[in-house]
Amino acid sequence: AQSVTQLDSQVPVFEEAPVELRCNYSSSVSVYLFWYVQYPNQGLQLLLKYLSGSTLVKGINGFEAEFNKSQTSFHLRKPSVHISDTAEYFCAVSGSGGYQKVTFGIGTKLQVIP
Amino acid sequence: AAGVIQSPRHLIKEKRETATLKCYPIPRHDTVYWYQQGPGQDPQFLISFYEKMQSDKGSIPDRFSAQQFSDYHSELNMSSLELGDSALYFCASSLYVRTSGRRAYNEQFFGPGTRLTVL
Repeated sequence: AQSVTQLDSQVPVFEEAPVELRCNYSSSVSVYLFWYVQYPNQGLQLLLKYLSGSTLVKGINGFEAEFNKSQTSFHLRKPSVHISDTAEYFCAVSGSGGYQKVTFGIGTKLQVIP
Repeated sequence: AAGVIQSPRHLIKEKRETATLKCYPIPRHDTVYWYQQGPGQDPQFLISFYEKMQSDKGSIPDRFSAQQFSDYHSELNMSSLELGDSALYFCASSLYVRTSGRRAYNEQFFGPGTRLTVL
């Protein structure tokens, strides 16, 4: 079984400041890792994913994440946030291969302050 | 590009009523997943189907049932609705890609969700 822990439930940050949303995962097997964003009253949008290869993954809207196997982490970063980045961000994990369910973290609310 | 379609988008029901949520996967996708997201909570996996057979089961109540039809669309049937069933229900679809000797990745594409309110 896999699980993820998002260490911060809410992260306030000023506009144009950098941000890091933390995520740690737990699994006894190889996994895939994801970050999803959910804007208010909307569905889930995939920001980026790590499957294999380069540990630095670039996603949409200027976000990137780094896979660290030794620390079992997959933190999400953005060098300069905008008001439009205000949303809830979910770290997620799935097993590799076949039809694997996605297990989500509890989410981190990013609030960008003007 | 075609996306996952869910209907209805919003549904209001009374306690003890039944509800049916529908999910139409992306064309050619053969796997469907259902998730439930309660207010202020993370999405929780309910159940999945691959080629019309149940492939995995999560925290789905016995009052709920689901199936995948020959055209690959799926329906989630919910009976004896309770106030706690009020949630956003997501459907996701993927194409099961077989690879020999390597890990297969089957990206799940999420639909917009059906918001169920039980009064």
